[in-house]
Parts: sequence; C-alpha cells; structure tokens
Amino acid sequence: DAGVTQSPTHLIKTRGQQVTLRCSPKSGHDTVSWYQQALGQGPQFIFQYYEEEERQRGNFPDRFSGHQFPNYSSELNVNALLLGDSALYLCASSFPRGGTDTQYFGPGTRLTVL
Amino acid sequence: QQQVKQSPQSLIVQKGGISIINCAYENTAFDYFPWYQQFPGKGPALLIAIRPDVSEKKEGRFTISFNKSAKQFSLHIMDSQPGDSATYFCAASLHSGNTPLVFGKGTRLSVIA
Repeated sequence: DAGVTQSPTHLIKTRGQQVTLRCSPKSGHDTVSWYQQALGQGPQFIFQYYEEEERQRGNFPDRFSGHQFPNYSSELNVNALLLGDSALYLCASSFPRGGTDTQYFGPGTRLTVL
Repeated sequence: QQQVKQSPQSLIVQKGGISIINCAYENTAFDYFPWYQQFPGKGPALLIAIRPDVSEKKEGRFTISFNKSAKQFSLHIMDSQPGDSATYFCAASLHSGNTPLVFGKGTRLSVIA
C-alpha cells in the first residue's frame, strides 16, 4: 500500500516565477491538506481539499492556490514567487469519514527560490 | 499568535535515558493531540496521539501525558536510543480529521551513546 507521494522532490525557481507541486494521497484517502514548513519551524496549514473543492484555508495569500482531481490527487500552485516562499511543502492525506483523525504526510517537495 | 508552544527547542539525552518534551495549548476547543517524528529530508510521521478524555496513553517506549486543566501535554520517550534522534513536533486540532493541525515549533532530540 503506497503512502502519500509527492513530486518533484526538489525544485529551484527564481523570484516572480510560478510553480506547481503535486500530491497523490494514500490509498483510500479522499482529503488532502497542504502545509508549508520553513527551515527550523513546524508545518503551517495552507489549505485543504475535499470533493474537489477548497474547504479550509490558512493565513496564506491568494498567490497560493490549489486543485483536487477526481482521483483525489492534488496540486499546489504558487504564483509570483518570493524569496520567503522557500520551504518544504508537505502534503497530508486523511479519510475523516472513516472515523480517524490521522493525517499522513508525504516526504515533501523542497522549493528553493533564488 | 502561536497556539501551541513547545519546549525545549533542543534536547540531548544519554542512551537509555528518558526524553521529555512539553507542549502547551491555548484553544480549549482542541480535542486531538498528535505527536509527529521527523527525520532530515523526510515528512513528519505520526508517532502517537491522544484525546482529552484520557490522561495518559502508552505505545511501546512512547507515552503521552495529558493535563486538560493546565492545557498541557507531554511526550516521554523511555529507554531513548540513538535511532530516536530526530525532530519531534506536537500538534493540536479541533474535532474530526478534516480540521487543520496546528504544530509546535519542534524539538530537536539527540540521543548520544
């Protein structure tokens, strides 16, 4: 049973560019959440997708957007990249209707903005 | 406003010793408190979790102690091993698995032989 997978592993962009990160949830999971983890910090919630809609959003600007596909996979898009967007971007999947609170994290995508 | 405060920032423990990491929360509506372990270059992995209806939960060498009145919870790692060296995060969320996790800033644990 594959866990949460993310691609790419690493990414280097320059200021002003746009980036798309991808996530495939754990088998059977239908809810995907995205987190940003700055160096030396705990993950911070960006937003969550369920049934192909953004259900909840953290304190992140509109430059951060996302999408969920019918197969439950998800994308995170960041426009007009800033140096401060450099971080590890984590995807977490869950299945709340299954009665569990557990969120399973992927290995993350390391984004470096130069 | 940081809703979950974690301490210490770093911890060095002798092999075989007890590692203790503490967290305090502010939002009394939180009712799910997981601990995650993260190795360098990896995503966080769930270690153990507790709900406020119990004061302690033990899984192997890992124990969560929970004090609802003080709004504090802690992770105890018994018989700490070098393989336990990692960063540990406490987190909290509101009821149900579709609410965001609020993380502490993490504790870097080093277990030395």
